[in-house]
Amino acid sequence: GNSVTQMEGPVTLSEEAFLTINCTYTATGYLSLFWYVQYPGEGLQLLLKATKADDKGSNKGFEATYRKETTSFHLEKGSVQVSDSAVYFCALRGGNAGNMLTFGGGTRLMVKP
Amino acid sequence: NAGVTQTPKFQVLKTGQSMTLQCAQDMNHNSMYWYRQDPGMGLRLIYYSASEGTTDKGEVPNGYNVSRLNKREFSLRLESAAPSQTSVYFCASTLDRGGNQPQHFGDGTRLSIL
Repeated sequence: GNSVTQMEGPVTLSEEAFLTINCTYTATGYLSLFWYVQYPGEGLQLLLKATKADDKGSNKGFEATYRKETTSFHLEKGSVQVSDSAVYFCALRGGNAGNMLTFGGGTRLMVKP
Repeated sequence: NAGVTQTPKFQVLKTGQSMTLQCAQDMNHNSMYWYRQDPGMGLRLIYYSASEGTTDKGEVPNGYNVSRLNKREFSLRLESAAPSQTSVYFCASTLDRGGNQPQHFGDGTRLSIL
């Protein structure tokens, strides 16, 4: 079946540092890839998505490119802020799971002033 | 702009007790989902309802039942709670089961089973 692997956290950065959160997946066929963000005490919110290979999703300064050749969808941001502190989840839809979402384990980001 | 509303937000149960978690959405979405979130494991799908009147098992359905009461509401029931069901439960909805529409999540129910 499908699987999504994220780097384990927590990731601790200083404000204005560069962020990368790695995400790789195992799945074949037509896929859509997503990054969700969860702020403390809240549910998940869609951050960005990519619906075909080589697509780049972007939102709020975050970017991720769907790389079919490396089966990856790494999340990046050039300059993080304290308000970016949250848990980030990579997810995919398609492949063996059909229309169901398969989530990674989540990566906690802590940004210090 | 309520979106997806879950009740209660917190609950403590004793082993063997029963309880129903409520979820309602006001976006006229067709599909609704129940997930559980455990540390390091992301979200795992318990049950889903592709449309009013239908329900299907997800990845971890054992120990749970669901009811799609109407288009707006999708409840999750624990008939006999067990400590292994201590978790954070999230309800989500999307316009349709297929396609690329994002899932909209509630704020979660934090459930502890003693």
